Amino acid sequence: EPEVTQTPSHQVTQMGQEVILRCVPISNHLYFYWYRQILGQKVEFLVSFYNNEISEKSEIFDDQFSVERPDGSNFTLKIRSTKLEDSAMYFCASRYSGSPQETQYFGPGTRLLVL
Amino acid sequence: AQTVTQSQPEMSVQEAETVTLSCTYDTSESNYYLFWYKQPPSRQMILVIRQEAYKQQNATENRFSVNFQKAAKSFSLKISDSQLGDTAMYFCAFMKPQGAQKLVFGQGTRLTINP
Repeated sequence: EPEVTQTPSHQVTQMGQEVILRCVPISNHLYFYWYRQILGQKVEFLVSFYNNEISEKSEIFDDQFSVERPDGSNFTLKIRSTKLEDSAMYFCASRYSGSPQETQYFGPGTRLLVL
Repeated sequence: AQTVTQSQPEMSVQEAETVTLSCTYDTSESNYYLFWYKQPPSRQMILVIRQEAYKQQNATENRFSVNFQKAAKSFSLKISDSQLGDTAMYFCAFMKPQGAQKLVFGQGTRLTINP
């Protein structure tokens, strides 16, 4: 069965550094999401992406964050200058269509640690 | 804004027992979707069951069923004949069918099935 994949599984970075988290959504999916979960807290929505543009973003998703679909397969989340509070598990998700009946499929996550 | 609350951080039952996980939510919407996602250890979240708010009949998927009480804004998950493979983190989630259709998650319940 097709799966959403994410790389790397773990990343450690220094505060102020740029990080790029990569996701490969399921191949025929058209809607893409990033969520994050700070340790001990809820999974929170960051951003949704469709037709090569952001369709919705949360308050968390400030100017330090950006998303891109550079080719037909990858979906990336970039954090330009990481802060300690960006340490979290980041989940990518994808969905085939805009129907609410369609399931969001999640990747296994990237655990980001900012030192 | 919608909120989802799972009041049971952890639960533990014996194999073959029935267990019920609680979830309450708050919304002013009349039409929405509710979900239970399962996240096994070190694996991605997978959809367990979905309920559409305008459907009065409770959703069932094999050993998994929900008790959806719209007036009480309650959405509990019942797992019958629990198996060791049911050990996982369980997340309740809410979704509006309009817009980006982002998921709003509860805190999660860690369920352990003991042999």
